[in-house]
Amino acid sequence: GAGVSQSPSNKVTEKGKDVELRCDPISGHTALYWYRQSLGQGLEFLIYFQGNSAPDKSGLPSDRFSAERTGGSVSTLTIQRTQQEDSAVYLCASSLGREGLKDTQYFGPGTRLTVL
Amino acid sequence: RKEVEQDPGPFNVPEGATVAFNCTYSNSASQSFFWYRQDCRKEPKLLMSVYSSGNEDGRFTAQLNRASQYISLLIRDSKLSDSATYLCVVRRWGANNLFFGTGTRLTVIP
Repeated sequence: GAGVSQSPSNKVTEKGKDVELRCDPISGHTALYWYRQSLGQGLEFLIYFQGNSAPDKSGLPSDRFSAERTGGSVSTLTIQRTQQEDSAVYLCASSLGREGLKDTQYFGPGTRLTVL
Repeated sequence: RKEVEQDPGPFNVPEGATVAFNCTYSNSASQSFFWYRQDCRKEPKLLMSVYSSGNEDGRFTAQLNRASQYISLLIRDSKLSDSATYLCVVRRWGANNLFFGTGTRLTVIP
C-alpha cells in the first residue's frame, strides 16, 4: 500500500518568507509526527497528533512554527518568517497509535528546506 | 546530556566482516528500543525492534541491557548493501515521540 507522502520534496525560500510543508499519512494511521533533521544532527521531534486529542507541541522550537491536521488525516507544518537556522529536512511519520513496541512509526521521504 | 548517544563512526569494514554498534540512553524511563536504518538522503526505516531478551533477524542481532542503559546491534557477514547510517532509537514511557541518536555511519568495502 501507499506509504507516507510529503510535498514538496525540496523547498528553497528567502529569509523572512513563510513556508508550508504537507504530509499525507498512511491510511488508517491515527498518529502523526513531525520531526526535523539538521546536518549532522539526530532527528528532533517537533509535534505529535493523535486522533482528535490536542496535539503535543512540546518540540516546536519557537512560535514561528505551527501545524494543523485536518480531518484526522493530512497535516500541514507552517514556518513563518523563516530563518537560515530553519534549514533542515522535515520528516513526517505516521503510526497506528498503539502503545509500546507494536506502534512502528513509518517515515515519509521528507521535505528538504533551504532558507537563503 | 543527550537522550541517546552513539559513536558516529565511520565504520569501514570489508565484505563478510562482523561489526557491532553500541548506543547508550540516559533516561531510565525508556520503554521501547529500536534500530532504524537511514540511507543517504532517504528517510529512516525500521530495521528491528529490540526486546529485553535480545533478538535476532537473519544476520542482525540486537541486545538490550537495562541495568547499563545500553543497546547494541551486531551485523554478521556484512554485505555491500548494509552500507548506511544506523540510528539508535528510544521511546520513553509517557512520551509520544521517539528519541533518536545521531547515527553510526557504516561503509562495507568490496
